[in-house]
Amino acid sequence: EADIYQTPRYLVIGTGKKITLECSQTMGHDKMYWYQQDPGMELHLIHYSYGVNSTEKGDLSSESTVSRIRTEHFPLTLESARPSHTSQYLCASSEPGDTFYGYTFGSGTRLTVV
Amino acid sequence: RKEVEQDPGPFNVPEGATVAFNCTYSNSASQSFFWYRQDCRKEPKLLMSVYSSGNEDGRFTAQLNRASQYISLLIRDSKLSDSATYLCVVNEGGGGADGLTFGKGTHLIIQP
Repeated sequence: EADIYQTPRYLVIGTGKKITLECSQTMGHDKMYWYQQDPGMELHLIHYSYGVNSTEKGDLSSESTVSRIRTEHFPLTLESARPSHTSQYLCASSEPGDTFYGYTFGSGTRLTVV
Repeated sequence: RKEVEQDPGPFNVPEGATVAFNCTYSNSASQSFFWYRQDCRKEPKLLMSVYSSGNEDGRFTAQLNRASQYISLLIRDSKLSDSATYLCVVNEGGGGADGLTFGKGTHLIIQP
């Protein structure tokens, strides 16, 4: 019944590989986000988008890139994965407008780079 | 620098007890506040929004103290299923992510 979907759920990949983490939502939300979270640590915003063709970098510097060609889709790409990229990546969306009502998070992608 | 501070715990509490924890924030202009629950290796889920007058949802009560810049979460009659990490989230304004700061979370363990 999730309205925001992330794939894959788990990914183990070798150093230097290019990977794309998928995130899609069916709620028609304009605002979408990517967060990175290491075990036991706080969430850090790495990218966000307020609508189609709009993308911004977040607080935490990241070597990843994002695109927003369709409202419902906000993929994150790592051109060359490194062990330092090992983390959990959480996608979220929120309702449009100036008032923030909270996020809906996807179930996350747990990435391990070996 | 935006700061949201939480006692990381863990808080070990017997089942049925009442437990409360606070979250302090540094920006007095912060506009809205939330408590999220995150289970181990899962995504955060919204537990409660925190209103200036305080709000209650069943066994959970959230309160805001703007003068002292903290929000609190009280859990009454704690259940084993309440074991989780509770994240404090502070929104400094607007509807976007650039105004949001997450705390590191408070880890709660309810013991039988």
